Amino acid sequence: ETGVTQSPTHLIKTRGQQVTLRCSSQSGHNTVSWYQQALGQGPQFIFQYYREEENGRGNFPPRFSGLQFPNYSSELNVNALELDDSALYLCASREPGQHVDEQYFGPGTRLTVT
Amino acid sequence: GESVGLHLPTLSVQEGDNSIINCAYSNSASDYFIWYKQESGKGPQFIIDIRSNMDKRQGQRVTVLLNKTVKHLSLQIAATQPGDSAVYFCAERASGNTPLVFGKGTRLSVIA
Repeated sequence: ETGVTQSPTHLIKTRGQQVTLRCSSQSGHNTVSWYQQALGQGPQFIFQYYREEENGRGNFPPRFSGLQFPNYSSELNVNALELDDSALYLCASREPGQHVDEQYFGPGTRLTVT
Repeated sequence: GESVGLHLPTLSVQEGDNSIINCAYSNSASDYFIWYKQESGKGPQFIIDIRSNMDKRQGQRVTVLLNKTVKHLSLQIAATQPGDSAVYFCAERASGNTPLVFGKGTRLSVIA
């Protein structure tokens, strides 16, 4: 167990709708990253938050946004859902001083857009 | 459980044999490389990493080899066990605060 939890486990949405996915990190993990993993692919970096501010972003449009809260939880919001947004969404967190890539991943949320 | 990667390259090995999983990376500026293991229904789990100033690094039952000349990375698992069955991803990162770039992955199946 990594101590990182995500909710919901599975979600089905319709094209054009909005979705919010949630992640709860271990206490003290003040850096959280979100990834999109399409079927048969490796995870793709969406963005990273550090102390409640975005401090890195991958090649994703602005309709992908996030929030990080003081209680080490975070959200990924996706507006105007498209069919290609169907994927497994992973969050990963790490504590201060931990190597940047020794992240702890959650189990993911499987999003299906119909 | 969660199904990750229905169309991935697959490697099947007999329990007790050694496994070698290969990865070709694309960015010659990458200076840090990591191997992750992803079991069904779980997120990726860090296995071992290596920096570009090294060509070999060993962990517990695992060894990572880096060949910068041909931009090739490999993961060797000694005495493969059924619990090693998973999808394995290599990831690379250039210097600075750049994001990780994951490869497509290889599914390892261990035959008991």
